[in-house]
Amino acid sequence: QVQLQESGPGLVKPSETLSLTCNVSGGSINGYFWSWIRQPAGKGLEWIGRLSTSGNINDNPSLKSRVTMSADTSKSQFSLNLSSVTAADTAVYYCARETVAGSGRSLDYWGQGTLVTVSS
Amino acid sequence: DIQMTQSPSSLSASEGDRVTITCRASQSISSYLNWYQHKPGKAPKLLIYAASSLQTGVPSRFSGSGSGTDFSLTISSLQPEDFATYYCQQTYTTPRTFGQGTKVEVK
Repeated sequence: QVQLQESGPGLVKPSETLSLTCNVSGGSINGYFWSWIRQPAGKGLEWIGRLSTSGNINDNPSLKSRVTMSADTSKSQFSLNLSSVTAADTAVYYCARETVAGSGRSLDYWGQGTLVTVSS
Repeated sequence: DIQMTQSPSSLSASEGDRVTITCRASQSISSYLNWYQHKPGKAPKLLIYAASSLQTGVPSRFSGSGSGTDFSLTISSLQPEDFATYYCQQTYTTPRTFGQGTKVEVK
């Protein structure tokens, strides 16, 4: 059973960089796209971006190029950096696996989420 | 970006009710449409992928239909554990986008 677990600081100061890591266990990190999604309190889900272990990266233009993502296959981990954070970046951050199944692509495994608060 | 619009934003229903949630895309997304169930404090759970395929382990009371721009999720007989928020998501292109969510509450 594939499991994902987010880790990182729960509190980040404004203008600094938010850094999160997602550890993947129970399956290979290779051959998939790995995604980041967030949910501000009381709001819906927002897709941040995705990366593959072969180096393909897509991010959400709404985040204005503040996103950096990377993967470490030796550790079965992938990471998110979000720079120049503001209070608007306060949210629960999820990592998830994007898979291809049949004629579709979906997020079939998710981490439990980690709350990141931006505050001085 | 492709905009996903769900309706209703919330609904009240009783156990045993048939519930239908709709999702409309701002342009054709073929069948690249997924449905997720989300409960507070939990990870979202994939219910339906490719518009109508039931994810392994998901009860058969959940079903999805549609293609192009108009989609729906139906719960044939609402169970107590189904009270949650439901999201549609398109994976036709990036950025992936979600609907705003539909909260299914106890009547």
